[in-house]
Order: sequence, then structure tokens, then C-alpha cells
Amino acid sequence: DSGVTQTPKHLITATGQRVTLRCSPRSGDLSVYWYQQSLDQGLQFLIQYYNGEERAKGNILERFSAQQFPDLHSELNLSSLELGDSALYFCASSPGYGEAFFGQGTRLTVV
Amino acid sequence: DQQVKQNSPSLSVQEGRISILNCDYTNSMFDYFLWYKKYPAEGPTFLISISSIKDKNEDGRFTVFLNKSAKHLSLHIVPSQPGDSAVYFCAASVTDSWGKLQFGAGTQVVVTP
Repeated sequence: DSGVTQTPKHLITATGQRVTLRCSPRSGDLSVYWYQQSLDQGLQFLIQYYNGEERAKGNILERFSAQQFPDLHSELNLSSLELGDSALYFCASSPGYGEAFFGQGTRLTVV
Repeated sequence: DQQVKQNSPSLSVQEGRISILNCDYTNSMFDYFLWYKKYPAEGPTFLISISSIKDKNEDGRFTVFLNKSAKHLSLHIVPSQPGDSAVYFCAASVTDSWGKLQFGAGTQVVVTP
């Protein structure tokens, strides 16, 4: 158990819809990262938050957004969903340096 | 633009023997390298890391070697055990961007009895 909690574990939704994925980082970790793993793209960095502030951005679509709340949990919002958004979405956390610890992921299926 | 490459998608090794996983990178700014292990339906689990100021780091059965001039790193698992069967990802980052990891495509390791 990495200490990073992601909910829900599975999500099935229709194209055009909007979903919110939730992540609770390890106790004491200030940084939260979101990654997407799809079959053809592998693990791709999406975005990082550190203590509530956006720190780094990767290949995140404009239809996607994230935030980190004062209690340090984070949410990833995916809107206008397309079939190609079906993937595993991982959250990871770290104290701000060193290795990142990953949650078990949310499997999103867009039908 | 694949900055971290794992060219072997799979590796089969006998229990008790050495597993050697390879990883190449192209971005000379990378200065921190990690290996993660992943089982199906689970998130990646951190295994071992190495900073660019070192050329070797050891942790139990796992040793990572870094050759900066060749932009190459490898993970050695000795001895291999059936529980080591998983997908192994190489990842790299720049110190100023902790956690913004560039991952390789992964190598599926199967340890046979």
C-alpha cells in the first residue's frame, strides 16, 4: 500500500460527459502528480501541484483540468469526453523531492 | 518524442538467474533515474533510484547502473524470483522537476521455475 488513495477505481461514462477523479496523497506529501496510461502512449505526465499551486504541466489537454485543495487532496476533471480518453489515470505524491508514490489508478472507460 | 526508451518489451528468465533490464535516454538534462515495478491492476511501485552523480546504487537484490556518457542505465535483479514477474518501467527526471517523470514503455519480465 503506497498510501496514495484514488477514487473511484472504475468509471464508465458516455462520450461528451464530464467526470472527476479524486486523489488523496500520502500523509505529509505536498506534491501531487497526475499521469495517464493508455495502450498506445504508455505513462504520460499530465500535471503537478505543489501545496495548492500548479507547478508543472505536461501533455494535458485543454478539456482536462486539475486542482489541489487546502487539505492537499487533488481532483482531475475531464470534460467533453472522447473515446480516446479511455485510459488508466494515476495519481502520485511525493514530499516535493525524490521518488513519487503511485495510487492504484482509476480506470476510465468512455463508451 | 520518446526521451526514455526501453527497447526490450519482454524478458524471460529462470528463477535464481540474473535479470538485466536496459534503458536508454536522449535528454542530457536528466539527472535522476528511477525504476518502477507494476503488477496488473495496480499502480507503479518504486523500486530503486540513482542520481547522476553516482554510477551504481544497490538495494538488496536490485542494483542500478548508470553510464552517463552512453546515456544508458540498467537494472540487475539477482537472484530472480517468481514474484519479480511484472512490468518494469524506467523513468527519468530533472532535479528541479521532481515527480515530472518521463517513462519508458516498460519491459514485461517473466520469471520461470
